[in-house]
Amino acid sequence: DAGITQSPRYKITETGRQVTLMCHQTWSHSYMFWYRQDLGHGLRLIYYSAAADITDKGEVPDGYVVSRSKTENFPLTLESATRSQTSVYFCASSDWGFRSYTEAFFGQGTRLTVV
Amino acid sequence: QKEVEQNSGPLSVPEGAIASLNCTYSDRGSQSFFWYRQYSGKSPELIMFIYSNGDKEDGRFTAQLNKASQYVSLLIRDSQPSDSATYLCAVFIYSSASKIIFGSGTRLSIRP
Repeated sequence: DAGITQSPRYKITETGRQVTLMCHQTWSHSYMFWYRQDLGHGLRLIYYSAAADITDKGEVPDGYVVSRSKTENFPLTLESATRSQTSVYFCASSDWGFRSYTEAFFGQGTRLTVV
Repeated sequence: QKEVEQNSGPLSVPEGAIASLNCTYSDRGSQSFFWYRQYSGKSPELIMFIYSNGDKEDGRFTAQLNKASQYVSLLIRDSQPSDSATYLCAVFIYSSASKIIFGSGTRLSIRP
């Protein structure tokens, strides 16, 4: 199916464990983004990528790692999960020049709970 | 200072009235501006975008952009209960590392 998909949809993990959230898009969009959403903070940018093998830190990158070996995939890894990383995580993709603006299309989100 | 600022609300508006949502941004490199609507438990969905100074209308929605004042707003006419949601302002910043930054969102409630 065309679009952007995240997995898993829900995840409970223990403090200190490594966890990876997956994001896959089928449009070949060059830009991909990871956001976290917490009450009162809107969407905060964690990491973003302009193309394969190009990634940059966003507003709140500490404790997270990303990679982008293929254009369509942009996994987010929490190296050692902490309770403060309990949040809803959204992946998005976009493409500069498409219809002359760069709308971000969102995945359905991953609700992560760290206990 | 956050790059994109919004009043968190909640903003309560009677049904049929005009709802006015405001957003300011700090980066003058900002190129495109978006309004997303997000229902509770759902992903954000785009409702309006604007990249030129002035007004842009789409049905009951009007986006207004003033780049000199670094200000973008969203007007919702004839507000309906289904408009009750959180509205997120977003800014596309074009540079060597282009990115999309969101505000914290304004919760809108339309009362019957």
